Amino acid sequence: SQTIHQWPATLVQPVGSPLSLECTVEGTSNPNLYWYRQAAGRGLQLLFYSVGIGQISSEVPQNLSASRPQDRQFILSSKKLLLSDSGFYLCAWSVGAPTDTQYFGPGTRLTVL
Amino acid sequence: QKEVEQNSGPLSVPEGAIASLNCTYSDRGSQSFFWYRQYSGKSPELIMSIYSNGDKEDGRFTAQLNKASQYVSLLIRDSQPSDSATYLCAGGASGGSYIPTFGRGTSLIVHP
Repeated sequence: SQTIHQWPATLVQPVGSPLSLECTVEGTSNPNLYWYRQAAGRGLQLLFYSVGIGQISSEVPQNLSASRPQDRQFILSSKKLLLSDSGFYLCAWSVGAPTDTQYFGPGTRLTVL
Repeated sequence: QKEVEQNSGPLSVPEGAIASLNCTYSDRGSQSFFWYRQYSGKSPELIMSIYSNGDKEDGRFTAQLNKASQYVSLLIRDSQPSDSATYLCAGGASGGSYIPTFGRGTSLIVHP
């Protein structure tokens, strides 16, 4: 069966510090991978998605970036965090056709102070 | 702009009642629809998906899709306090896009 991991689970970072969040998927090959952010009381905001190694599409221009160095690994990064980067970061995967179901990881709660 | 609209609620129902959650979408090309449940502080978990017009039942949950009217609903029978959560509706990608569209969610409170 497929599983998705995210770490760390929680993170408190000062403004201006770098960020690296990692997501890995097990039990499937060539998944579509997604990064979402959910701010307090808000909906899911799609940040990046990837349909293959090295293929990244950005949905929202901001100070975040994403990379996919391996088939089942997706990394979200920032060089300098802003207060507005605080939120709940969710990684998700799907396989096959674009209409296939997305499954979410446990999330990383980021607080920028 | 593809949109999925949900009433933010909260929707409050007594234990044992039927909870009815609704969702409308703007993209007529959407081919698939999903309902997720999200407990406070947790990630969304899939309840069910629906692709064809009509009803789809899974245990206490029934999803209904009406493509002509562009709405999707979720019925929860015999609601329990443990069903209290935010329910997210999502419209699947269309036209070769890999980007689904999520609604903001409806908060459901089931009181004993």
